[in-house]
Amino acid sequence: GAVVSQHPSWVICKSGTSVKIECRSLDFQATTMFWYRQFPKQSLMLMATSNEGSKATYEQGVEKDKFLINHASLTLSTLTVTSAHPEDSSFYICSAREAGGSDTQYFGPGTRLTVL
Amino acid sequence: LAKTTQPISMDSYEGQEVNITCSHNNIATNDYITWYQQFPSQGPRFIIQGYKTKVTNEVASLFIPADRKSSTLSLPRVSLSDTAVYYCLVGEDGNKLVFGAGTILRVKS
Repeated sequence: GAVVSQHPSWVICKSGTSVKIECRSLDFQATTMFWYRQFPKQSLMLMATSNEGSKATYEQGVEKDKFLINHASLTLSTLTVTSAHPEDSSFYICSAREAGGSDTQYFGPGTRLTVL
Repeated sequence: LAKTTQPISMDSYEGQEVNITCSHNNIATNDYITWYQQFPSQGPRFIIQGYKTKVTNEVASLFIPADRKSSTLSLPRVSLSDTAVYYCLVGEDGNKLVFGAGTILRVKS
């Protein structure tokens, strides 16, 4: 149980294009999902908290117009990197917190984004 | 905000028991303590979670003293495949988890 998937697992795009990453909780409902970014040899950095049916809450320094988050259902959240640039290349990881559960978060496998 | 402190790295040999201690002096009353394992280019994997005393599952044990200002993850008889980064986290703001640097565990043969 408690499986979270991400799609795609990796993506390469040209500078200036937009990329959408999906995060799904496969066997539980998640009222809250989180998006992290991880650069090589660094820890995970929280980007935003996504609550189903409401606007995402972004961490300080994260541009909400660049990283669009949509959490339209209890099992799906999407992160769109708009007008991507090489500095946006990173490992993007989502997590989902089970509705009504403890603080346990289950993480997706991550999406490797490379912007050329 | 609760903050955690862990050793940067640890070395061990196959078959040994490994104990990784985490300090969280400002843990809040409602916070749980959760440990994750991460391999390169993968998302963190949940290992164990606890609130107080001792928790054990098929993978590890978690020891939490009465004051809850620290916790120790115990991995019995580690193997080479346990080489990974281990993160200790406490619940913050009831929702957010803020990752520290983690502990790099290297298991040698």
